[in-house]
Amino acid sequence: DAKTTQPTSMDCAEGRAANLPCNHSTISGNEYVYWYRQIHSQGPQYIIHGLKNNETNEMASLIITEDRKSSTLILPHATLRDTAVYYCIVRRTGANSKLTFGKGITLSVRP
Amino acid sequence: DVKVTQSSRYLVKRTGEKVFLECVQDMDHENMFWYRQDPGLGLRLIYFSYDVKMKEKGDIPEGYSVSREKKERFSLILESASTNQTSMYLCASSGTPVLETQYFGPGTRLLVL
Repeated sequence: DAKTTQPTSMDCAEGRAANLPCNHSTISGNEYVYWYRQIHSQGPQYIIHGLKNNETNEMASLIITEDRKSSTLILPHATLRDTAVYYCIVRRTGANSKLTFGKGITLSVRP
Repeated sequence: DVKVTQSSRYLVKRTGEKVFLECVQDMDHENMFWYRQDPGLGLRLIYFSYDVKMKEKGDIPEGYSVSREKKERFSLILESASTNQTSMYLCASSGTPVLETQYFGPGTRLLVL
């Protein structure tokens, strides 16, 4: 699976949009971009995934560049409960494809 | 909503003890996974199962075994616990086909003394 690169940390003000970037320059055509987050001492939580089109759900939006070499996760109105480590993962579909979590980006939402 | 539950949030065991970690999912998922998470090492896959009574080794299976007698339940067994197995253990499940998004349980923090 392709490797991803994320900044180590970022912060944003409560109520503002949080834009979390991810680079995946070696992504191949059959690989999806997944985002998970992990709040301290809890299991990872699935957020969103996409292939090449932008995606939106009740939690977030995912913007993937046209060349698919990078993406941005957008939390439109960050709350204190969104403080977590966010992982960008690229993986193939197919049976039993494991998730490889990197170091992720620590998002701190300040009041 | 998908629900993955793990038998304990915190567990303290002694070296040499046999340890059972249980995981149950309620979404009729075919695939189940056991990971461990350690600071600086991220999540590492121990074992996974894609069907009842089927199992496959992950990246770090040594010192562990698994059991999947029923579709909803996947057990991780530490045959003889050692201090280097102190870790956070995470169970996940996913359905088929296509994208197989994995859903995680809350984790079990195991301390081996």
